[in-house]
Amino acid sequence: DIQMTQSPSSLSASVGDRVTITCRASQGISNYLAWFQQKPGKAPKSLIYAASSLQSGVPSKFSGSGSGTDFTLTISSLQPEDFATYYCQQYNDYPLTFGGGTKVEIK
Amino acid sequence: QVQVVQSGAEVKKPGASVKVSCKASGYTFNSYYIHWVRQAPGQGLEWMGIINPSDSRTRNAQKFQGRLTVTRDTSTKTVYMELSSLRSEDTAVYYCALEYNTSSFDFWGQGTLVTVSS
Repeated sequence: DIQMTQSPSSLSASVGDRVTITCRASQGISNYLAWFQQKPGKAPKSLIYAASSLQSGVPSKFSGSGSGTDFTLTISSLQPEDFATYYCQQYNDYPLTFGGGTKVEIK
Repeated sequence: QVQVVQSGAEVKKPGASVKVSCKASGYTFNSYYIHWVRQAPGQGLEWMGIINPSDSRTRNAQKFQGRLTVTRDTSTKTVYMELSSLRSEDTAVYYCALEYNTSSFDFWGQGTLVTVSS
């Protein structure tokens, strides 16, 4: 199975901060990488697919990059509605696997 | 609009089975795969399996082999996830997720809480 490792597991940031979350795959996955946002008690929401493509309706403050084994999700200017947990997920091979999540909290 | 809507919360005893439904609307049902993902309380996301509604072929995570059955009913545009031999560790929110236009999970159901308790 492909292991997905996210870092950090949590972070504290202020409104307006630029935030970067990293995700590393245990083997190469090309660009078959997605990012999701999840708020408490809610279903995950798709943000990014194919490592860097923005899902329809998602604001451009979210961006993704990377290929192979190393990927990043960046939020350019953190807003109150962005405080949530973020997950990466590989869909290069079965079983599909997720990172452990990064909880973004208010400083 | 495209959406998938799940059935309501369930409480089951250890050893029982649970069957959760996921009803699709707003698109051509046979054309897009549906996945099942679960999330234990306070934990991360875990992929369980996938079904191709056009031919009902499935693929399950090895962890659930022998316990997980995913089926579909094309007449009602509904996918079902049945998990048997339930144990307390199966207590989780179960999500269906639609692979619509990106090969990723584009649309998610609202989640179904399954509680396994004696």
